[in-house]
Amino acid sequence: TQLLEQSPQFLSIQEGENLTVYCNSSSVFSSLQWYRQEPGEGPVLLVTVVTGGEVKKLKRLTFQFGDARKDSSLHITAAQPGDTGLYLCAGGGSEKLVFGKGTKLTVNP
Amino acid sequence: SQTIHQWPATLVQPVGSPLSLECTVEGTSNPNLYWYRQAAGRGLQLLFYSVGIGQISSEVPQNLSASRPQDRQFILSSKKLLLSDSGFYLCAWSPPGGYSEAFFGQGTRLTVV
Repeated sequence: TQLLEQSPQFLSIQEGENLTVYCNSSSVFSSLQWYRQEPGEGPVLLVTVVTGGEVKKLKRLTFQFGDARKDSSLHITAAQPGDTGLYLCAGGGSEKLVFGKGTKLTVNP
Repeated sequence: SQTIHQWPATLVQPVGSPLSLECTVEGTSNPNLYWYRQAAGRGLQLLFYSVGIGQISSEVPQNLSASRPQDRQFILSSKKLLLSDSGFYLCAWSPPGGYSEAFFGQGTRLTVV
């Protein structure tokens, strides 16, 4: 069974701080996605990484896929209150996507 | 462009009553379809997925069932709801041909009373 573990589970920071959240697995994934979810809504896809060592940037968000395609990280620079939400990683390797339990981020003004 | 519709947005049902949640996708053919349940703003538990009409895979044995009567329609059902069925239910689709990014509906908040 493929599992994705996310850390930390909860993170509360002040506006302007930097942060990194992690997504780790003992399994190899052909691709890995990051989603952000706000309360009462469905998750929204942020990025997909497919190549080991790949780095993608989305404004202040930087996503990295591990060389062995077993882990990923999301780094946010100068966090803003609008970044608040649940960040989920998901791994693709068959017809079904495996999701981590998420990191709940709160950015305080 | 592709869109996904899920309804209703909220639902309050008594214990023992039936359930039917519907999800439809527009703008694509033969999508992979998924039903997830999410508890208390945490991770997503995969309930069912389907790669084609009439093809349903169940991940967790429980009081729910799923059907795919048409290519872009996915239905989550129960004959008799339990209190433990309460939660946030999400439908999603991904492009055909295997694993890929998932696109979610707005979700249904189900409260069983």
